[in-house]
Amino acid sequence: DGGITQSPKYLFRKEGQNVTLSCEQNLNHDAMYWYRQDPGQGLRLIYYSQIVNDFQKGDIAEGYSVSREKKESFPLTVTSAQKNPTAFYLCASSRSTGGPNQPQHFGDGTRLSIL
Amino acid sequence: AQSVTQLGSHVSVSEGALVLLRCNYSSSVPPYLFWYVQYPNQGLQLLLKYTSAATLVKGINGFEAEFKKSETSFHLTKPSAHMSDAAEYFCAVSDYSGTASKLTFGTGTRLQVTL
Repeated sequence: DGGITQSPKYLFRKEGQNVTLSCEQNLNHDAMYWYRQDPGQGLRLIYYSQIVNDFQKGDIAEGYSVSREKKESFPLTVTSAQKNPTAFYLCASSRSTGGPNQPQHFGDGTRLSIL
Repeated sequence: AQSVTQLGSHVSVSEGALVLLRCNYSSSVPPYLFWYVQYPNQGLQLLLKYTSAATLVKGINGFEAEFKKSETSFHLTKPSAHMSDAAEYFCAVSDYSGTASKLTFGTGTRLQVTL
């Protein structure tokens, strides 16, 4: 079955440490996205990528970095500059053709906590 | 910028009762609207989407939503609630941005279903 795989499901970070969250999709989608979810705030866009080797900042990119070297992979690094990284992180993908009515497909998320 | 507002962060209904989850949108162009459901510690699953083809949209699990331009609303309904409907529901609007269907989410409504 096609889908999006996020790993690990739970991740712990020490102060001053960078951590990388994995996101892999086999849906053959061009566009991929990273969201941060906090209780009562819905989902906020961190970064998105419309095509390989290209990505754009979302609404809350500070303290995060991404790469898009392969179509199926869009890893997110939470850097030590992100002062409040504890959250639930969701990766999504969508077709880039067909206009703005293309739904996004989501992985099951990674929960990041600070030790 | 487009936005959505979900009225009521928590809604409680009895099993078998009508479910009504409210979403109002703000958009300067005809909107593309979505409803997603999230079960605990999981990603988001698409319930339905509005794409201007019809104002009444039917989705999965017996849910439907009606687009009302005069009220700038896209409320989600289900005639008879089931215990398995307990989850968090998100309304979202698609942003016209290149080829990526960027979504702006509401803050979510948690649905509780009681016996």
